[in-house]
Amino acid sequence: GAGVSQSPSNKVTEKGKDVELRCDPISGHTALYWYRQRLGQGLEFLIYFQGNSAPDKSGLPSDRFSAERTGESVSTLTIQRTQQEDSAVYLCASSFRTSSYEQYFGPGTRLTVT
Amino acid sequence: AQTVTQSQPEMSVQEAETVTLSCTYDTSENNYYLFWYKQPPSRQMILVIRQEAYKQQNATENRFSVNFQKAAKSFSLKISDSQLGDTAMYFCAFVPTSGSRLTFGEGTQLTVNP
Repeated sequence: GAGVSQSPSNKVTEKGKDVELRCDPISGHTALYWYRQRLGQGLEFLIYFQGNSAPDKSGLPSDRFSAERTGESVSTLTIQRTQQEDSAVYLCASSFRTSSYEQYFGPGTRLTVT
Repeated sequence: AQTVTQSQPEMSVQEAETVTLSCTYDTSENNYYLFWYKQPPSRQMILVIRQEAYKQQNATENRFSVNFQKAAKSFSLKISDSQLGDTAMYFCAFVPTSGSRLTFGEGTQLTVNP
């Protein structure tokens, strides 16, 4: 079946603008995760959603970052008033349930803030 | 809090030879999972192998195997008969059974030379 998809693949924006990144998880996957990957570094956890439970937002770096998920489908990550340090690849992952531990990743969105 | 350390930023190996990538972690948890993910230039994170901490037997997937030393908190990846397609960034990751977010190491860039 289809894997995790993300759009756009690449996004260039000016400092101060808002951006929205989209993630379509694998159908039937109840858990969804967002990670940030700065150039040459590992992945930093941002937020995760599990079904209809309250999301774990503990990884969001500032109040400029927010995310929503509609039921068990699409999620959007919004960054307001972008800064140059927000430049990174944003990766989305999904899993069947949190206890499965294996996460399936999308191809990521490369965000460049100029 | 958990930490994952990969002390080898870069490694190279000749095609058909064997290479070992190192990973150590720190946790107070007793039950957890460890993973190795591969990230080629396409950015797609691909699960290579997984190890449950309660299993003493080392996981094996074709040419990939791990050396899991729980007491030493070490989890190295051995790639046998290296192929050009193995060239990628390799990340070690940890998740406790009490949680869901993955904690990643900084990665090791592996280059397989012809």
